[in-house]
Amino acid sequence: AQTVTQSQPEMSVQEAETVTLSCTYDTSENNYYLFWYKQPPSRQMILVIRQEAYKQQNATENRFSVNFQKAAKSFSLKISDSQLGDTAMYFCAFKGGSSNTGKLIFGQGTTLQVKP
Amino acid sequence: GAGVSQSPSNKVTEKGKDVELRCDPISGHTALYWYRQSLGQGLEFLIYFQGNSAPDKSGLPSDRFSAERTGGSVSTLTIQRTQQEDSAVYFCASVPGQTYEQYFGPGTRLTVT
Repeated sequence: AQTVTQSQPEMSVQEAETVTLSCTYDTSENNYYLFWYKQPPSRQMILVIRQEAYKQQNATENRFSVNFQKAAKSFSLKISDSQLGDTAMYFCAFKGGSSNTGKLIFGQGTTLQVKP
Repeated sequence: GAGVSQSPSNKVTEKGKDVELRCDPISGHTALYWYRQSLGQGLEFLIYFQGNSAPDKSGLPSDRFSAERTGGSVSTLTIQRTQQEDSAVYFCASVPGQTYEQYFGPGTRLTVT
């Protein structure tokens, strides 16, 4: 069974600094998708960034980028120029390429606090 | 356009009562998911609907949980004889037919007292 592990329950960063959130996963599949979701106190789930496993290039969305290491089954999220609005819980999620349901498997989450 | 909506936003119920949670997906989205988020945890898959196919119920934690999707649109998640461990936020997500991005609703916070 696929699993997703986020080993950092809580992290903090100073405003304007850079922070990296870690995520590892376990799968026997070769084709799959990885996601980072942000959940602010409003509890809305917001898609931050996604990565297809068949793409070697790391995904980037403005201040958010990933370091996808397929062999190591690692998928970390880097937030540059952190802003107060980045304060939230961040979830790493996996979707198997051969999954009939397309369900997402989530990690336990990392709570990020951006300090002024 | 309108996103995924869920009602109620919050629900407090007594142990042993039945509850119904509603999800209105984005119009035209063919797939619909229910997830549960217990306090301080990640989301956990419950059930999946795709068009007219039989739903995948493999994530439902017990036979007290059931869900239906009427007319390929609105879905209701029913929990019978609620228990305290059912307290969680229940999310619904819908997906356009050929893409893989899930659009989440705002969730329903269920508290069983």
